[in-house]
Amino acid sequence: AQRVTQPEKLLSVFKGAPVELKCNYSYSGSPELFWYVQYSRQRLQLLLRHISRESIKGFTADLNKGETSFHLKKPFAQEEDSAMYYCALVGGSEKLVFGKGTKLTVNP
Amino acid sequence: KAGVTQTPRYLIKTRGQQVTLSCSPISGHRSVSWYQQTPGQGLQFLFEYFSETQRNKGNFPGRFSGRQFSNSRSEMNVSTLELGDSALYLCASSLGDRFVTEAFFGQGTRLTVV
Repeated sequence: AQRVTQPEKLLSVFKGAPVELKCNYSYSGSPELFWYVQYSRQRLQLLLRHISRESIKGFTADLNKGETSFHLKKPFAQEEDSAMYYCALVGGSEKLVFGKGTKLTVNP
Repeated sequence: KAGVTQTPRYLIKTRGQQVTLSCSPISGHRSVSWYQQTPGQGLQFLFEYFSETQRNKGNFPGRFSGRQFSNSRSEMNVSTLELGDSALYLCASSLGDRFVTEAFFGQGTRLTVV
C-alpha cells in the first residue's frame, strides 16, 4: 500500500529563517515523489519532483530511501512561500497519493 | 494552452439527491484523476481513468462513480448524497505516461450537501 505522512499540520516561521516541511512515505518499491503547493485562491500545482533534482523557488527536497523521507527545505523563507504544501507519491501505477498537507505561514 | 476545466464551480444539493461533476482535461492528456478535498482529510484519491478505462480506484463507497469519454473528458457521479459528501472535488489530468506523471489540477467544484 502507498501512504504519505506529513506529521505537521501547521508550521510557522519568520521571514529569513530556514524551513523544513517533513514527509515520510510507505511503499515497498521505488516510488516517484513530488511536492505540490497550493497558494491562497490558486490551483494546486507541482512544486518539484525528486526525479528532476531541481530547485524551484529556492526549495529543494532529497529522497532518503533509508529513512523513507522526502523533506522539503528552503534556507531562507519568504512571505510569499506561505501556502499549503502536499507531499505526494506514485507507486506501481498512475495513482498519485497525497499526504494531508502542511500549512506554512511565514511571518514578517 | 487551456488548463483543466471543471464545471460547475459551485453546487448545493439536498441529501438523497445525486450529482454529476464534469472535468475537461488539458488537450492531449489521457489520464484524469478525481480527488475529494476536505479540511480534515486533505486530498483523498477517488479514481483515475485512462483511455476510457478506470485504471485505479480509491476507498470510497460505490455511490461514487465516474466515467471517461473518448475525448478524455470525464464525469464523476455521486448518488444518494450525504452531508459528509460536502467537499471540494478536484480533477487532475496528466499525459498518463508512467514516467511523466505531473498532474495538472482544475480549480475544483465546491459541493455543499444540505
